Amino acid sequence: NAGVMQNPRHLVRRRGQEARLRCSPMKGHSHVYWYRQLPEEGLKFMVYLQKENIIDESGMPKERFSAEFPKEGPSILRIQQVVRGDSAAYFCASSLLAGGSYNEQFFGPGTRLTVL
Amino acid sequence: GENVEQHPSTLSVQEGDSAVIKCTYSDSASNYFPWYKQELGKRPQLIIDIRSNVGEKKDQRIAVTLNKTAKHFSLHITETQPEDSAVYFCAAEGTYKYIFGTGTRLKVLA
Repeated sequence: NAGVMQNPRHLVRRRGQEARLRCSPMKGHSHVYWYRQLPEEGLKFMVYLQKENIIDESGMPKERFSAEFPKEGPSILRIQQVVRGDSAAYFCASSLLAGGSYNEQFFGPGTRLTVL
Repeated sequence: GENVEQHPSTLSVQEGDSAVIKCTYSDSASNYFPWYKQELGKRPQLIIDIRSNVGEKKDQRIAVTLNKTAKHFSLHITETQPEDSAVYFCAAEGTYKYIFGTGTRLKVLA
């Protein structure tokens, strides 16, 4: 049973470009979470999605950031017009049941975004 | 808002000694508290968790205690080994998400 998969593992973008980060949850999981980890810091919640629905995006910046989890295919975190401050590791996690309810979240290997 | 504080931020212990990491949380509705270990450049991995209906849980050299009244929970690692060196994160279940502490960098000195 493959774990949570993320790609790319490393992504380099110049300021102003777009970054697309992909996450495939564990088989059978329909709940996906995105977290951001700045260097030497903890994990900050960004957004929680179920298939085709954004449930909680309270941690995601209102500008330039968007997320989706379509009926088919991986979840996508999209960052438009990247700035240097977006450089971070972006982790996706998935769970079998609804978020936050006694339910283990399994993390992917992360995508390390570097903005030049 | 929901918040988790974690202490200390760094911890050095001699091999074989014990290590204790402490967290406090703000949301009294939280009922699930996982602990993650993250090695350099790798994903966070769950090492132990505790639910609010128990006060302590142990798994070999790792134990976690929970005081719901005080909103404190702690990770205890006994007989530390060099491979225990990593960053450890506590988390508290929030609405739909985990609220993570800021991490403790544990160094086990051989």
